[in-house]
Amino acid sequence: DAEITQSPRHKITETGRQVTLACHQTWNHNNMFWYRQDLGHGLRLIHYSYGVHDTNKGEVSDGYSVSRSNTEDLPLTLESAASSQTSVYFCASSDIGRVEAFFGQGTRLTVV
Amino acid sequence: GNSVTQMEGPVTLSEEAFLTINCTYTATGYPSLFWYVQYPGEGLQLLLKATKADDKGSNKGFEATYRKETTSFHLEKGSVQVSDSAVYFCALNGNQGGKLIFGQGTELSVKP
Repeated sequence: DAEITQSPRHKITETGRQVTLACHQTWNHNNMFWYRQDLGHGLRLIHYSYGVHDTNKGEVSDGYSVSRSNTEDLPLTLESAASSQTSVYFCASSDIGRVEAFFGQGTRLTVV
Repeated sequence: GNSVTQMEGPVTLSEEAFLTINCTYTATGYPSLFWYVQYPGEGLQLLLKATKADDKGSNKGFEATYRKETTSFHLEKGSVQVSDSAVYFCALNGNQGGKLIFGQGTELSVKP
């Protein structure tokens, strides 16, 4: 079955380290998104991509970057992890012309 | 800009009680509206959607009607079960390439 997978599911890292969270989808969707989930805020958009080599900033993009070298993957990089980036991160994808998005299982990141 | 507001939780109900979770939105144009559900330790799953005014989305006994006149998309279920315990997110897609805007989430706890 087609799916969207995130790895790792849990990660603990130290302040100042670079961290990369992986997202891989097998639906061949053009659109991919990264959100973070924090209590009281719901999900907020970090970055998104509408296709290979396309990347765009979302609502809370400071301190994060993404790159899209193929259709299947959109890795999220925290350049220098900060405690404020402790959160649960969700990757999602959607197809052109479809309004709904499909989500991965999430990555719980703790920055100590 | 576009935004979603949903009732604060947590909401605690007894099994077989009637459920309403309120959701209102602000958007230009004609957004698509969604309810996503997050079970403990899992990612978000699409519960139901509505893409135009007066549409009713339904799934697993849950319903929500797209009311443009009141800018609302309230989630209802006639008889909740313990297995419905989860966090529910209302979201909209302003037809901007699939980007979703979420409410803050409402935690539902159903007691036997």
